[in-house]
Amino acid sequence: DAKTTQPNSMESNEEEPVHLPCNHSTISGTDYIHWYRQLPSQGPEYVIHGLTSNVNNRMASLAIAEDRKSSTLILHRATLRDAAVYYCILRGSAGGTSYGKLTFGQGTILTVHP
Amino acid sequence: EAGVVQSPRYKIIEKKQPVAFWCNPISGHNTLYWYRQNLGQGPELLIRYENEEAVDDSQLPKDRFSAERLKGVDSTLKIQPAELGDSAVYLCASSLDRQGRTEAFFGQGTRLTVV
Repeated sequence: DAKTTQPNSMESNEEEPVHLPCNHSTISGTDYIHWYRQLPSQGPEYVIHGLTSNVNNRMASLAIAEDRKSSTLILHRATLRDAAVYYCILRGSAGGTSYGKLTFGQGTILTVHP
Repeated sequence: EAGVVQSPRYKIIEKKQPVAFWCNPISGHNTLYWYRQNLGQGPELLIRYENEEAVDDSQLPKDRFSAERLKGVDSTLKIQPAELGDSAVYLCASSLDRQGRTEAFFGQGTRLTVV
């Protein structure tokens, strides 16, 4: 499976932007980049995903490098409720080694200070 | 529409006893995952179903764990007999299909404590 690498932890202040990085140098052309987050005592929650172009939704933005070997999840204004573990995952389409898989790493623990 | 529903939310059993977890995925979702999550770790895949077929069960400890997904809808994960090391949160997730463009939805999980 293609691997992702994330920092173990990051900190932010409330109402400031947060940029969570993810490296995936072995990504294949059919892999989508997914982000999930897990709040304390909750199951993981879908945040956003993309293939090549940058994506925006109500929760966050996803910036994908031109060579697709890295990506950044952007929370535009962090709130205390955004404190969670954030997982970057490659999810493949037909023909790829990650086809059908949803493999979690250790993720990044985001701490938000008031 | 209801999300992925898991029950029970919590379960405490003595070692060597059997235990079962139930998952009702989102209606119409063909792909179903069972994960185990130990404290401070990311979820680890136990088994993945495409409809009623188990297509990835390489991480399922088959000597004590079993799973089924009858009619390709609800799923049950069973442990018999349970060991102390099985204490963890068991998560169920579903997605419309296995394509990379589709997102997965998770249940709240079942927290198992084996004493």
